[in-house]
Amino acid sequence: DAKTTQPNSMESNEEEPVHLPCNHSTISGTDYIHWYRQLPSQGPEYVIHGLTSNVNNRMASLAIAEDRKSSTLILHRATLRDAAVYYCILSSGGSYIPTFGRGTSLIVHP
Amino acid sequence: DTAVSQTPKYLVTQMGNDKSIKCEQNLGHDTMYWYKQDSKKFLKIMFSYNNKELIINETVPNRFSPKSPDKAHLNLHINSLELGDSAVYFCASSQDSPSGGGRANVLTFGAGSRLTVL
Repeated sequence: DAKTTQPNSMESNEEEPVHLPCNHSTISGTDYIHWYRQLPSQGPEYVIHGLTSNVNNRMASLAIAEDRKSSTLILHRATLRDAAVYYCILSSGGSYIPTFGRGTSLIVHP
Repeated sequence: DTAVSQTPKYLVTQMGNDKSIKCEQNLGHDTMYWYKQDSKKFLKIMFSYNNKELIINETVPNRFSPKSPDKAHLNLHINSLELGDSAVYFCASSQDSPSGGGRANVLTFGAGSRLTVL
């Protein structure tokens, strides 16, 4: 299965944009890129997913590199509530079950 | 209304006991899952059911037995609890099955059930 690489942690200030990177150099042509986040003491929460084009929703934007070997989750204005672990996951293989790695722990400073 | 609800939220029990965790989803989804998150925070898939049928069974001890009475419910029964079973267990659901064109499949998770085995 294709793997993803994310920084262990990132920090941001409240009200500022946050760009969370994810490398997936072995992605195949039919793999979707999914992002979930897990707030403290809660279950994972779906954030966004995409295939080739950039995607926007009410929570975030997903920017996908042209060669699809990397992507960036963009939080346009971080709030304290966005402090969470963010997971970048590829839907690889014939049967897709999200496989969670370590993710990126986002710290938001007031 | 909570989309995926799990009970109990906390469960403390002794080694050797048998316990169950219940999960219900009101999203009308066809597929449900159980994940385990250990002390190191890794989330691992345990089981997946589609329309009450087991479709995914990862390497999980036989002491763990999932049961799906209908597609809105997936319960997890654990026999002869061991210290290593202490973890947070998350239930999830999705509209599509993992193999049914599910590469865009989105999961909705419950809040988790923290099991502590003493």
